[in-house]
Parts: sequence; C-alpha cells; structure tokens
Amino acid sequence: GESVGLHLPTLSVQEGDNSIINCAYSNSASDYFIWYKQESGKGPQFIIDIRSNMDKRQGQRVTVLLNKTVKHLSLQIAATQPGDSAVYFCAASDTGRRALTFGSGTRLQVQP
Amino acid sequence: GAVVSQHPSRVICKSGTSVKIECRSLDFQATTMFWYRQFPKQSLMLMATSNEGSKATYEQGVEKDKFLINHASLTLSTLTVTSAHPEDSSFYICSARDLAVTSTDTQYFGPGTRLTVL
Repeated sequence: GESVGLHLPTLSVQEGDNSIINCAYSNSASDYFIWYKQESGKGPQFIIDIRSNMDKRQGQRVTVLLNKTVKHLSLQIAATQPGDSAVYFCAASDTGRRALTFGSGTRLQVQP
Repeated sequence: GAVVSQHPSRVICKSGTSVKIECRSLDFQATTMFWYRQFPKQSLMLMATSNEGSKATYEQGVEKDKFLINHASLTLSTLTVTSAHPEDSSFYICSARDLAVTSTDTQYFGPGTRLTVL
C-alpha cells in the first residue's frame, strides 16, 4: 500500500530565509502529488501540486521538486514569512485509486 | 473559487447521541467527496469516499454502520456519527473534487468540524 512520510517533524527557520520541507513516498504507482498547508484548527489549504511527468513546478514563492528515482518530494518556500508558520503535509495518489494518502506532516516555525 | 464549507464547525454532545456533519461545495459541483478524521498532532486519515448517488466506499477499519455517509446531491455530503462515544472525539474534515476538473486529483478541503463527545 501507499505510505507517505516526512523526514523532519519540526522545522524552525528565520524570517526571510528559505525553507525546504521533504517528503518520501513508497508507492511507485503514485503519479500525482500535492502539498497542503494546515493552520491550527483549520482545514488543509492547497499550496501546489505536481504530476509525475514533471520534476519541478513553481508557484508564488513556492517550488515543488519531484525525484521519482528515489521517490522523494520537496517543498521550497522562498523568503519565509511569519504567516507561513503552519503544518505542511504532502499527499500522493495514483490514477487507480484516485484517493490521497497523506504524510505525517512537518511543523514549520518561522522565527521573527 | 473551490470553496468547501462544513457545518457545524464545533459540536459537543453526550455519549450515545448521534451527530450530523454537513459538507458543501459552494462554487463547484463534486461527484466525489471525502471524509477524513484527524487526531491532535496527527495526519489526516481517510475514512471514506462519498460518491453522489451511490454508496460510500469505506476505508479498512472504519465502521460503515457507525459513520453513515449520504451524498444526495452534487454539492452536499453528510456524515452522521451514530451513538457517539468519547473515543469518537476528533477533528472531522471533508474535501471535494471538482467535477469539471478531471485532469488532477486535487481535493479542496472544508474548515473541519471539532467533535467532542462527553
């Protein structure tokens, strides 16, 4: 079955620095990946997604990198701001199941 | 766009009672909605996939008779926790997939419902 895991439970960065959050997945059939941001007491908020036919995708201040060879996914946040403080989840799906499997989450703490 | 609402946002009930949670897609239609449960400081665990006009598909270990799901329209799914007990206390979150977008599995999430069973 699918399992998606994160390398670090908590990441603390200084305001203005870049943040990198990592995620590993095990199912080689996974072909779609999403990053979500969840603030305390709220539902997850879509950040960015990427399909398996791509290795990089950029959004506003965020970049997702996908390495299918080692089944690794990362989220890069440029110029991290206090408002970026939250728990970040990666999620993966495959076209067969079409349901998302979530990783365990990384808490990002931005120090002013 | 892609807004999902949930009602209520918070509910406290006595053990043994049933609680209904509504999930609505406000500006899009969703043939498929998902229900998740999240315990404190843990990830989201998929409970069931709700399909409009048909029976829900439950994940392994989730009791279908305890967590009743109804998806009567393209914009509304309901989760009823029957005979709730304190161990059912959790954060319940729904999500929906836009019917018009078939190229991705992007799910848009509601704000969640905090259930506390006394």
